[in-house]
Amino acid sequence: GNSVTQMEGPVTLSEEAFLTINCTYTATGYPSLFWYVQYPGEGLQLLLKATKADDKGSNKGFEATYRKETTSFHLEKGSVQVSDSAVYFCALRNGGGYQKVTFGTGTKLQVIP
Amino acid sequence: GAGVSQSPRYKVAKRGQDVALRCDPISGHVSLFWYQQALGQGPEFLTYFQNEAQLDKSGLPSDRFFAERPEGSVSTLKIQRTQQEDSAVYLCASSLRGMDFSGANVLTFGAGSRLTVL
Repeated sequence: GNSVTQMEGPVTLSEEAFLTINCTYTATGYPSLFWYVQYPGEGLQLLLKATKADDKGSNKGFEATYRKETTSFHLEKGSVQVSDSAVYFCALRNGGGYQKVTFGTGTKLQVIP
Repeated sequence: GAGVSQSPRYKVAKRGQDVALRCDPISGHVSLFWYQQALGQGPEFLTYFQNEAQLDKSGLPSDRFFAERPEGSVSTLKIQRTQQEDSAVYLCASSLRGMDFSGANVLTFGAGSRLTVL
């Protein structure tokens, strides 16, 4: 079956530090990959996505590259801000026919001034 | 509406009580999902509707859980005889297309209903 594994948090960084949150997946076929973000008290929001190998998703300074050879979709940001403090979820949906979105367990990021 | 609306935002129930959680998806969205998110965990799939048809209920943890979407818009998740292990945030999400769409079908989530069973 499909599964997503994320690095455990919490991750605590100083403002302007470099961020990497690791994500690897297991899936048959060629899934679409997503990063969702959940700010305190809010619902999950799509941050970025990639639909095929070597695609790079990007949004709000965050990037992730779909690496089929390593089955990874690591999230990166060059300079984090306090406002980036949130929980980040890696997720996948298999292409071809009906498939639900499968989420990782989430990684909490805390950015301190 | 502009987003996915869920109610109530918070619900406290005594063990054994029945609860009903409502989801109002974005108007015109075909797909509707319910997920359960336990504290510190990622969302776990419960059930999926395409319009009014419940196409997948494989994630419902027991027959105490029941979901419906009779007119293909608003959905209700009902939990009968609640247990403490049912305590979680219940998330509803909708998307414009059916899940047989082969593209990257993006889900829009509501803020969730936090259920606490005492």
